[in-house]
Amino acid sequence: EIVLTQSPGTLSLSTGERATLSCRASQSVSSNFLAWYQHKPGQAPRLLIYGASSRATGIPDTFSGSGSGTDFTLTISRLEPEDFAVYYCQQYSSSPRTFGQGTKVEIK
Amino acid sequence: EVQLLESGGVLVQPGGSLRLSCAASGFTFSSYAMSWVRQAPGKGLEWVSSIFGRSASTYYGDSVKGRFTISRDSAVKTLYLNMNSLRAEDTAIYYCAKGISDYSSPFDSWGQGTLVTVSS
Repeated sequence: EIVLTQSPGTLSLSTGERATLSCRASQSVSSNFLAWYQHKPGQAPRLLIYGASSRATGIPDTFSGSGSGTDFTLTISRLEPEDFAVYYCQQYSSSPRTFGQGTKVEIK
Repeated sequence: EVQLLESGGVLVQPGGSLRLSCAASGFTFSSYAMSWVRQAPGKGLEWVSSIFGRSASTYYGDSVKGRFTISRDSAVKTLYLNMNSLRAEDTAIYYCAKGISDYSSPFDSWGQGTLVTVSS
């Protein structure tokens, strides 16, 4: 099983600031089959990034993904009020298709 | 527009059984992998199970293997999750999710979820 460890657990930032979220895998994620999701309370999760760096349909270019192998990063270049949420990484290269434990981006 | 509507979540006793359904619309249901993902109270997302499109191959998380069964009926565009031997730790919101392709893929559309509570 590939274990995904996200850091930090909580990120306290202000609107307009840059957010950098990390996701580290216990073993290499083949084909960079790594996705990022945004989840707000009471809502369905939303796919942001897949294939480590491809933005999903309708996702603004303030969101970007990078990395390969075991180290991946989600960057939000300028935080908007609606970006404060919990973010999860997920690998879909092998079963079980594990999620990280999440990073909460909160308003400072 | 893709729509996924889960149903079937209720309060059930430990050891009991339940079937969740997910009615899909707005896309060619048989051509995409479908999955169930859950979120226990105060916890993060946990992948439960996936079923591919054309091959209907199935995959399960270790915590539900042997107790849960995923299936799909393309004639009525519905995804199912049969849950047996339920435990308190199965208490969660269960989301139905659509993959972006026929096989292993991330989830680009999600339902609003259905709550399963396992308690005596």
